[in-house]
Parts: sequence; C-alpha cells; structure tokens
Amino acid sequence: SQQGEEDPQALSIQEGENATMNCSYKTSINNLQWYRQNSGRGLVHLILIRSNEREKHSGRLRVTLDTSKKSSSLLITASRAADTASYFCATDGDTGGFKTIFGAGTRLFVKA
Amino acid sequence: GAVVSQHPSWVICKSGTSVKIECRSLDFQATTMFWYRQFPKQSLMLMATSNEGSKATYEQGVEKDKFLINHASLTLSTLTVTSAHPEDSSFYICSASSPGSNYYNEQFFGPGTRLTVL
Repeated sequence: SQQGEEDPQALSIQEGENATMNCSYKTSINNLQWYRQNSGRGLVHLILIRSNEREKHSGRLRVTLDTSKKSSSLLITASRAADTASYFCATDGDTGGFKTIFGAGTRLFVKA
Repeated sequence: GAVVSQHPSWVICKSGTSVKIECRSLDFQATTMFWYRQFPKQSLMLMATSNEGSKATYEQGVEKDKFLINHASLTLSTLTVTSAHPEDSSFYICSASSPGSNYYNEQFFGPGTRLTVL
C-alpha cells in the first residue's frame, strides 16, 4: 500500500516562481526522501532527511519534516523550465528502514 | 553516486511471450535489489525485494509465478514477465542498495524499462 499522499497532485507555475509540494505519510519513519522523475525516465534522488532533522537544504531545494504531523514539504525556489517533472516523496514506512514506499507524486509544470 | 543500469530500455512483445529485464549495479555490489512497476501518471509500486542468493520476497497481490525474479550475483538481478498480457504493459524500474552506503536505506535507481505487450 502507498505510504505517502502528495499535495497538490499537479502544479503549474511560471518560471522564477517558487514551487511547494507537500507529502503526508501514515506510519513512523526513519527517514524521508524526495525524488524527481522526468517523463518516462528513471528516478533522481534529490534529498534525504532523517526523522531527527527538521529542515535540510540543497541548492534551490529546501525540505522540511514535521514528524508530529507526519508531513514533509519540498520547496523549489526560483523555478526553471527544466524543473518540470514529477516529484515523489518516499519513506521507509514501518518496514524498519528496509523498503522504500513512494507517495503518489506531484506533477510540476514550469512555464517559460 | 552509484550507477544502476537496466536492459532493455524498452521492449515490445506479443501476448503470451515471456520477457526478461536485467538490472545491473555497475560499480558496487548490491546485496538487495528492488523491482517496481509504474503505470502512466501513477507512482511506483513495489513488486518484490530480491536478496542475492535467496528467493525474492513479493508484495501482496504480486504473482510470483508470473514475475520471476533471480538475483544470482551481487551485480545482477533479472525480472522475467512470463506469459505477458497487455495489462502487464508498464514501466518497470529496479533499484539496488548495499550495506555501507553513505545513507541508511539509500537506493540507486535504474533508468527503467518500458514494456509494451501487444
């Protein structure tokens, strides 16, 4: 079963704007990861945040984690047309860190 | 980062035939490999977990006799879709992990294989 639910399902913004995607999950986790997938391609790992971390940055990416609310957000600042892709959150759910369970994903479209 | 390859990248086959997809870790030894299936505009669904030298563990609802997984070496896992039907058409993605990775539970994903069954 899917662990995460993402919000929104689809997001369309102008180049230069910020894009925020949210992810909620159901069970306790050890870590949460965000991935990017261009249409019909494989996954690119963006960032991992551990359960004892609250915020993490990587370039134009900012990820937050609120374990009390079982939610995470991914912020992409100053978006570019090349950021157009699907973004997935993934957790190890209640598997003891062994499996990765993916959320439904957010399809981001950045208009030039 | 570590590189995982898949072969073929796409395949078209007739209904009733079997198709084998290979997943290779190119620069590290993968004790565990995972197989996912992704339908258009949907998320990745974990099909099975494969450990080198042992039988794969299948997720609920995945037919092990239809999706045969073999993880014969630390760098190769294969997924065989037996007697494929049009409803098996999907994007199949593998990932590999190994102990001693920098991050706990870090997986490295292959580029995927698109299967179309006519």
